[in-house]
Amino acid sequence: KAGVTQTPRYLIKTRGQQVTLSCSPISGHRSVSWYQQTPGQGLQFLFEYFSETQRNKGNFPGRFSGRQFSNSRSEMNVSTLELGDSALYLCASSLASRGMSGYTFGSGTRLTVV
Amino acid sequence: GESVGLHLPTLSVQEGDNSIINCAYSNSASDYFIWYKQESGKGPQFIIDIRSNMDKRQGQRVTVLLNKTVKHLSLQIAATQPGDSAVYFCAEIGSQGNLIFGKGTKLSVKP
Repeated sequence: KAGVTQTPRYLIKTRGQQVTLSCSPISGHRSVSWYQQTPGQGLQFLFEYFSETQRNKGNFPGRFSGRQFSNSRSEMNVSTLELGDSALYLCASSLASRGMSGYTFGSGTRLTVV
Repeated sequence: GESVGLHLPTLSVQEGDNSIINCAYSNSASDYFIWYKQESGKGPQFIIDIRSNMDKRQGQRVTVLLNKTVKHLSLQIAATQPGDSAVYFCAEIGSQGNLIFGKGTKLSVKP
């Protein structure tokens, strides 16, 4: 079966712009989580969506937001981009919420803010 | 607060040797732990998991050990191969159900 698909793979944006990233989970998976990966901070949890509802949220500013559609596809949005938002953004899908059924990650979107 | 950390940032081993990657965690209430492998340009890939009611679990060439007394996890890779070269992360499920990752250990396998 198809894995977790993230688009686009690479993005270059300018400070102050906004960006939208997309994630299509594994078919049948209803939970989508987003993580930010940077060399300095490692992998950090952004938020989780399950059945179109945000279940959990990490410690990120309100500029980071997301949503989930009825087909479980998810988008995350970052507004007013800062240089420090440059990172690999990873999406993980899971059959159930709270991860006890395991997470499968996509290959990520590499965002560069200049 | 909740945190998961790794003892060594880099590990270099000879092909064919066994590798041991260590991890310490701080939340004694955690009941589920996972090891991930991340290759360059890819997302983390599940290797093996263990629940807190176990102290050892074996997979194909990999073994995870859990010592709850000292809040320590280890990943053992038998007969390490060049394809095992990657960054390895331990992770625990936090109180919100999200993954809390360690900083990662880069494993380099010398031919």
